[in-house]
Amino acid sequence: GAGVSQTPSNKVTEKGKYVELRCDPISGHTALYWYRQSLGQGPEFLIYFQGTGAADDSGLPNDRFFAVRPEGSVSTLKIQRTERGDSAVYLCASSPTGENTEAFFGQGTRLTVV
Amino acid sequence: GENVEQHPSTLSVQEGDSAVIKCTYSDSASNYFPWYKQELGKRPQLIIDIRSNVGEKKDQRIAVTLNKTAKHFSLHITETQPEDSAVYFCAARINEKLTFGTGTRLTIIP
Repeated sequence: GAGVSQTPSNKVTEKGKYVELRCDPISGHTALYWYRQSLGQGPEFLIYFQGTGAADDSGLPNDRFFAVRPEGSVSTLKIQRTERGDSAVYLCASSPTGENTEAFFGQGTRLTVV
Repeated sequence: GENVEQHPSTLSVQEGDSAVIKCTYSDSASNYFPWYKQELGKRPQLIIDIRSNVGEKKDQRIAVTLNKTAKHFSLHITETQPEDSAVYFCAARINEKLTFGTGTRLTIIP
């Protein structure tokens, strides 16, 4: 595809439910990032993949959050036992090598936990 | 970890005037500093970036300056236009991790 694609664009879920957010990076990009953006705030780092492995997951807020990238392309962010405080826009970005190159963002998934 | 502070949080300028947004970072190992523009409901888009081996970079009406000693960098927009209205984020990268500032809401007054 032409850019980073995220699905769904919007997700409303009940508190306590499990959700999966998907990111399709730009073809050939080895680095993939997940960020979370709350209203009026800058994107907050969650996790970074280089290929299939999570190179840095220090931003995941707790063990309810988990992300995978099994084939080094598509990534899924998984949130268990969702809480109202998880409501935010979840942004995915990818870049060619990860080293000082531009990160291209997707449109984000707006998650609302009710 | 890296900490990025951004000022001001809101900025209003008359059309045609210049706008300046400033950021500071804490970790001297940061070596890449992009600026993103985000319009309401849209994705952040890179408008300009600078690497640590350069002090200044310009692209038409947009320029960025970097002072590594003081650990601060600034975005300058000249001859502002209504379409420049958006939220602007600075960021600093260390070990592949981008840390963002809290954003500046820029409003251009026609």
